[in-house]
Amino acid sequence: DAGITQSPRHKVTETGTPVTLRCHQTENHRYMYWYRQDPGHGLRLIHYSYGVKDTDKGEVSDGYSVSRSKTEDFLLTLESATSSQTSVYFCAISLQGPNTEAFFGQGTRLTVV
Amino acid sequence: QQPVQSPQAVILREGEDAVINCSSSKALYSVHWYRQKHGEAPVFLMILLKGGEQKGHDKISASFNEKKQQSSLYLTASQLSYSGTYFCGTIANTGNQFYFGTGTSLTVIP
Repeated sequence: DAGITQSPRHKVTETGTPVTLRCHQTENHRYMYWYRQDPGHGLRLIHYSYGVKDTDKGEVSDGYSVSRSKTEDFLLTLESATSSQTSVYFCAISLQGPNTEAFFGQGTRLTVV
Repeated sequence: QQPVQSPQAVILREGEDAVINCSSSKALYSVHWYRQKHGEAPVFLMILLKGGEQKGHDKISASFNEKKQQSSLYLTASQLSYSGTYFCGTIANTGNQFYFGTGTSLTVIP
């Protein structure tokens, strides 16, 4: 298994509160991604990073921010959680960019009430 | 820009074959295939980088028709372990962003 750890694995939070999800990798892969998975939509890219402090938006980035201060950590922050952000969040890593094999973490199930 | 997969769901008996299609409205640079079992993370199957390319391992293979902007995943002599949701992912010639399809649920029954 690729060394990817997501934390927490499950979280319930209230509408309007900020939430931070963490992705930690031990593979020293340059590229890291945050996806959300919802029924009927598959996996949709939120943000990605191609190096320390280098990040960019994906197709569903509104309401989310990210930070990458170290190669091994990629943080996803929901600035003010809404019920529409209830989802399963997956972190992924790849060695050489989006055109190479990606390894996924086990996911974080977030419920916003 | 999300690719469209068909069928949405399929049920097979062990030993039967299945084909899953992935189509895009954009000219494609590459097609990726992943499988996700219930409650687990997606797992990489293969990437096709050239039009006309075909790849496979075990009894799962795929083709990439660049002109038709589509890819097909072939599962032959299906096994119970093939059950899961299959996702294609694509990168268009004109962009560098990766988009997953909505998935195809495949269930293999004894």
